[in-house]
Amino acid sequence: DAGVIQSPRHEVTEMGQEVTLRCKPISGHDYLFWYRQTMMRGLELLIYFNNNVPIDDSGMPEDRFSAKMPNASFSTLKIQPSEPRDSAVYFCASSPYRDEDTEAFFGQGTRLTVV
Amino acid sequence: AQSVTQPDIHITVSEGASLELRCNYSYGATPYLFWYVQSPGQGLQLLLKYFSGDTLVQGIKGFEAEFKRSQSSFNLRKPSVHWSDAAEYFCAVAAYNDYKLSFGAGTTVTVRA
Repeated sequence: DAGVIQSPRHEVTEMGQEVTLRCKPISGHDYLFWYRQTMMRGLELLIYFNNNVPIDDSGMPEDRFSAKMPNASFSTLKIQPSEPRDSAVYFCASSPYRDEDTEAFFGQGTRLTVV
Repeated sequence: AQSVTQPDIHITVSEGASLELRCNYSYGATPYLFWYVQSPGQGLQLLLKYFSGDTLVQGIKGFEAEFKRSQSSFNLRKPSVHWSDAAEYFCAVAAYNDYKLSFGAGTTVTVRA
């Protein structure tokens, strides 16, 4: 398996624009997570899905953020409108969470810069 | 809710020397504990994990960690570091049957020749 695939790797956008980050989890993994990494706040969980259903979105910072998982092989994180303080690295991770298989596999991240 | 503290922001170690990274967690029951490594511009890679059983856990790249319940700690060790070990290291905790990882702030390791 190619691992968790995120696109784009880098995104530069202007304040106020819509941004969509994409993630393809590892096939067979039932859980998908979106994390954000910043210098100030470290790694924060934004939302996670189980079998394509959002389970906990308490980490989503504002209504400007939304996430979807229309099928088992694709998820998006959308920011509309974007603001400079949204600049961060966004990671997607997936996990099978079966028995002792509780490892989360991370993608390489999308570095978002909002100017 | 569970939380993780990594007291050391930055550690510099000589190549060939031993390395120990500290991690303390806060959780009422036995947690799931993890160490991840992040190289510049890369995602996080799991080094090792602890769920139950033997409190000394072996991981990849020659790393090991010891779970000490009495100290609420899960320190990471490597007997002899290589220049390629220069990276940022994250300790993480998850509650039993809860799939959310809470990460520490990370420790940056610099390896000098």
